[in-house]
Amino acid sequence: SAVISQKPSRDICQRGTSLTIQCQVDSQVTMMFWYRQQPGQSLTLIATANQGSEATYESGFVIDKFPISRPNLTFSTLTVSNMSPEDSSIYLCSVNGGEETQYFGPGTRLLVL
Amino acid sequence: AQTVTQSQPEMSVQEAETVTLSCTYDTSENNYYLFWYKQPPSRQMILVIRQEAYKQQNATENRFSVNFQKAAKSFSLKISDSQLGDTAMYFCAFMKRGSARQLTFGSGTQLTVLP
Repeated sequence: SAVISQKPSRDICQRGTSLTIQCQVDSQVTMMFWYRQQPGQSLTLIATANQGSEATYESGFVIDKFPISRPNLTFSTLTVSNMSPEDSSIYLCSVNGGEETQYFGPGTRLLVL
Repeated sequence: AQTVTQSQPEMSVQEAETVTLSCTYDTSENNYYLFWYKQPPSRQMILVIRQEAYKQQNATENRFSVNFQKAAKSFSLKISDSQLGDTAMYFCAFMKRGSARQLTFGSGTQLTVLP
C-alpha cells in the first residue's frame, strides 16, 4: 500500500479566504482523488486529478471553487476558494494502489468561521 | 449510477463477541469491486477488506470476513472476536471495474465495542 501524507492536518480559516491542501505520496501513481466528508456524513468525491491533464470534477463541484493541481506523479493540491462555513469538512486525498484498491491520506480538518 | 445503502446507522457489540454489519448496493454492472473501510476517531480511512465481484469465494482478513451475495446485491461484514480497537465508523464502498476507479460510499455504520 502507498504511504500518503497531507498538509495541513487541520486549519481554522476566516470566511472569504482560501486554503490550499497538499497531498504527497511515497510512490508514483497515475490517479489521485479528492474527497470531502462533511460533519457526520459519508465521503463524496470532488474530483479526479490526473498528471498532465485537467482534473475531472464530479457533479456539484466546480474548478473555480476547488482548483486542483497535479504537477507530477507523487503530488497534488486542492484549493478551497472563497470559503464559507458550509465548506467546513474533512478533505481527504486518495490514490489507487495495486489491485484496484484506494488508499487514503490522513485527511485535513477544515473549520471555516 | 451506483448506490450503496447501509441501513444500520449505529451498532454495538460486547468485546469478544461477533457482529455483522449490513450493506446492499444497486448497480447494472457485472464487474466491480466492493470494499469495507473503517474510520476510527482519528478520521484516517483504513481499508478493512476487499471483494472482487467475479470471485464467488468470500474474502477474509483475520477476524474480518464478508458474506457476498451477488444476486441479492448484498455485502455484509462480519467481525469476530470484537476488540475495543474495532470501535469506528465502517463504510461500505463500490468501485466499477475498469472505470475511472471512483469509489461510491454508503452512509456508514458507527460500531461501538463495549468492554
